[in-house]
Amino acid sequence: QVQLVQSGAEVKKPGASVKVSCKASGYTFTNYYIHWLRQSPGQGLEWMAIINPSGGSTRYAQKFQGRVAMTRDTSTSTVYMDLSSLRSEDTAVYYCARGGTSGFDFWGQGTLVTVSS
Amino acid sequence: SYELTQPPSVSVSPGQTARITCSGDALPKQSAYWYQQKTGQAPVLIIYKDTERPSGIPERISGSSSGTIVTLTISGVQAEDEADYYCQSTDSSGSYWVFGGGTKLTVL
Repeated sequence: QVQLVQSGAEVKKPGASVKVSCKASGYTFTNYYIHWLRQSPGQGLEWMAIINPSGGSTRYAQKFQGRVAMTRDTSTSTVYMDLSSLRSEDTAVYYCARGGTSGFDFWGQGTLVTVSS
Repeated sequence: SYELTQPPSVSVSPGQTARITCSGDALPKQSAYWYQQKTGQAPVLIIYKDTERPSGIPERISGSSSGTIVTLTISGVQAEDEADYYCQSTDSSGSYWVFGGGTKLTVL
């Protein structure tokens, strides 16, 4: 069965960086794009970035340009999301999701990132 | 930047029909998707390509599209349907993904 398993919760200070991982299993890793999305406390969903695991190409939401980077390791079927220059407004649950023409059909369990001094 | 607009809340009694709308200028051109999110859980895809249901999603959940508005319809609403619902699509170029602000469905 398809599974996306994310790394655990993080607590970071303002100005620091965080790296969240998303390990895929149950399907051919290079056949589907992976997206990162986030949800601030009590707020809606926000799309951040996409990576093509096959070639590694990425695209980022304008809001996060220059602060976010997605990478992948095909040997372990894992995607990484790096967010830098963290501020309190980045406190959120971060999700990875498999994407295709059928939408975001499988989601990770979410990773809470707390930014606090 | 491109936006999708949903009502913040919809309330219905059990057994009634709930309709949640989502409007966006690019919806005539780009497909819409709907997600259900219950408290403390990751979202779940319930409608894709405007009207299609993933396997395991009950037939009483349906989607429709008319011009710049897409609609999620839940017939015979049950207590278990109480959740937040999000529409999602892409901008007109298909390059960037966007979510509506979400609609909280309350079952009275």
